[in-house]
Amino acid sequence: DTEVTQTPKHLVMGMTNKKSLKCEQHMGHRAMYWYKQKAKKPPELMFVYSYEKLSINESVPSRFSPECPNSSLLNLHLHALQPEDSALYLCASSQRFSGLVNTEAFFGQGTRLTVV
Amino acid sequence: GENVEQHPSTLSVQEGDSAVIKCTYSDSASNYFPWYKQELGKRPQLIIDIRSNVGEKKDQRIAVTLNKTAKHFSLHITETQPEDSAVYFCAASIIWVYTNAGKSTFGDGTTLTVKP
Repeated sequence: DTEVTQTPKHLVMGMTNKKSLKCEQHMGHRAMYWYKQKAKKPPELMFVYSYEKLSINESVPSRFSPECPNSSLLNLHLHALQPEDSALYLCASSQRFSGLVNTEAFFGQGTRLTVV
Repeated sequence: GENVEQHPSTLSVQEGDSAVIKCTYSDSASNYFPWYKQELGKRPQLIIDIRSNVGEKKDQRIAVTLNKTAKHFSLHITETQPEDSAVYFCAASIIWVYTNAGKSTFGDGTTLTVKP
């Protein structure tokens, strides 16, 4: 299984709603990521988890709250979002970084989020 | 932090011609340079990567070169086909030793159009 699976594929939410995005991988990868991608822009790193611990938070607003319940799952909890948060949210995973060597990131298909 | 510049932003070639996309990076500690292809509405997918201890790598019609001294790397696609049309992103990756986690900084992307 070389897939990263994200659910839901599409999500429309109001500014007062609370929702969660889910990401799952069964490749044994110990590094998992959330990226945000706006139209015609590159993926922009939000969070990095290494061994289920938050390693990097790229100064993301607190209305985005990540969670890594176990080595296969990554969630992104959303609350009180703004219309400008509408974007494609991509999850990715890669092997644990070892020997100071990076490895390929496998991306999920993404959740297309629209905040109304 | 790392800064990655990618050129050109758009590239149009005739089928069968070659395409070259260039990226520069700023942080000499970056040690991994992947290239991703993203078709409209789909996830980024790795097409080739190169590590900092290698100068060139080739995979069928795709090749990547790295000049660490000049801090630039390039993607070369030969014998282009219409299905090569997509957005291509370069990235420079670095390990943050104190977290044992890695971070990729993406270029802004190149929209490649291959005309039949």
